[in-house]
Amino acid sequence: EDQVTQSPEALRLQEGESSSLNCSYTVSGLRGLFWYRQDPGKGPEFLFTLYSAGEEKEKERLKATLTKKESFLHITAPKPEDSATYLCAVQIPLNSGGYQKVTFGIGTKLQVIP
Amino acid sequence: DSGVTQTPKHLITATGQRVTLRCSPRSGDLSVYWYQQSLDQGLQFLIQYYNGEERAKGNILERFSAQQFPDLHSELNLSSLELGDSALYFCASSVGHSGRGQFFGPGTRLTVL
Repeated sequence: EDQVTQSPEALRLQEGESSSLNCSYTVSGLRGLFWYRQDPGKGPEFLFTLYSAGEEKEKERLKATLTKKESFLHITAPKPEDSATYLCAVQIPLNSGGYQKVTFGIGTKLQVIP
Repeated sequence: DSGVTQTPKHLITATGQRVTLRCSPRSGDLSVYWYQQSLDQGLQFLIQYYNGEERAKGNILERFSAQQFPDLHSELNLSSLELGDSALYFCASSVGHSGRGQFFGPGTRLTVL
């Protein structure tokens, strides 16, 4: 069965303390991996798409990387405004008809303390 | 602001009732996706429409149905509501049908009493 597992479930960092969030997946035929940020009570906000192992994307203090089995979201010198839940999602084929679906992980709740 | 709009923002109803949630995608986006998010389950994909046609189905109950209209807005119909249907319902849209780079709306919070 296709699975997306994010760890840790929750992470508390001091402002400026860099760390990484993990997204591991067991899927057949990965078509893409996405990272989203979600603030409480709001819709997820798209951050990155990664397509192949070795690919990296950066945006401000965030850097996403992809291997064949997992993806990391590195947060460098985080600020309190980076506090949110970070969601990972994978895109996989749904059937032989060309349809695809996106499966989300439960997320990592990040809290950055001043 | 993602450009995706959802109405209503909040909905409170009783068990057994039927409700309709509405979504307008970003200008130019042809795909609309519906997700359910409850506290213990994370984001669950329900269904996708592309240019008016059903494209992919996830864990959508038979009591739920959706459609996408010619102007590309979409409606999610939930019937015979149960307490467990209380959740945040999100709509997302994207240009293509592959699921990449989805932009999410603000959600509709449904409470079933």
